[in-house]
Amino acid sequence: EAQVTQNPRYLITVTGKKLTVTCSQNMNHEYMSWYRQDPGLGLRQIYYSMNVEATDKGDVPEGYKVSRKEKRNFPLILESPSPNQTSLYFCASSLSSRGQTEAFFGQGTRLTVV
Amino acid sequence: DAKTTQPNSMESNEEEPVHLPCNHSTISGTDYIHWYRQLPSQGPEYVIHGLTSNVNNRMASLAIAEDRKSSTLILHRATLRDAAVYYCILLREELNFGKGTSLLVTP
Repeated sequence: EAQVTQNPRYLITVTGKKLTVTCSQNMNHEYMSWYRQDPGLGLRQIYYSMNVEATDKGDVPEGYKVSRKEKRNFPLILESPSPNQTSLYFCASSLSSRGQTEAFFGQGTRLTVV
Repeated sequence: DAKTTQPNSMESNEEEPVHLPCNHSTISGTDYIHWYRQLPSQGPEYVIHGLTSNVNNRMASLAIAEDRKSSTLILHRATLRDAAVYYCILLREELNFGKGTSLLVTP
C-alpha cells in the first residue's frame, strides 16, 4: 500500500532535548516536505526536498533541520526544542514538485514541548 | 504566490450534492488547481486536481471556469464522512494551504 509513515505519532519532550521525527515513503517519490499545523494559522511548510541531498527552507524553518540522505526518508530534527514548537507535524511526498501530481501525507506527529 | 479565496464554512444535508467554490483571480497559466481535504485528526488527503478542463474521479468532480479565475469542487452525494476542511490550492511548485472551507454535513 502506498503510504507515508511518520514516527512517533505522539511525543512529549522537555525543552532543549534533541529529538527526531522520522518520515518514510514507499512510492519512490522525489519530492518530500514537512509542515506544521497550528490553530488559526493553518498548515505551514517548514522544509522541503526536491531530491536526495537537495533540501531547502519553507516558510517557517527556524529551529528545525532536515536531511535527505536517501530517497525514501526525510527526518525532521529539532536540535533544541522549545515550547513554541509544540504543534502537529505532517510529512508529505509527491512524485515531483510540479502541479501534475498529487501529494500524500502522513498521519501526523503531535509534539508537545514542556 | 497566487492566492485562493474560499468561504470559511458551508453546510449540507446528507445525500445531497455540495458545491464548494474557490476564487483564484490571480492564477497563472501554469498553476494547477488542487483540492485537498482534512478530516478531523488526520493528515490532508488529495481529492482532485485539474488545469483547464473539468475533471471527475471517484471522490468528486472539479469544474473550472473558462477564464480559470474560479473553480468548484462538487461532491455528488455528501455523506457524514465528507465532513472536513476542504482546501483549494494553486500548485506551481509547493502546496500553500490557506484556511480552507469547513464543511458540515448534517443527517
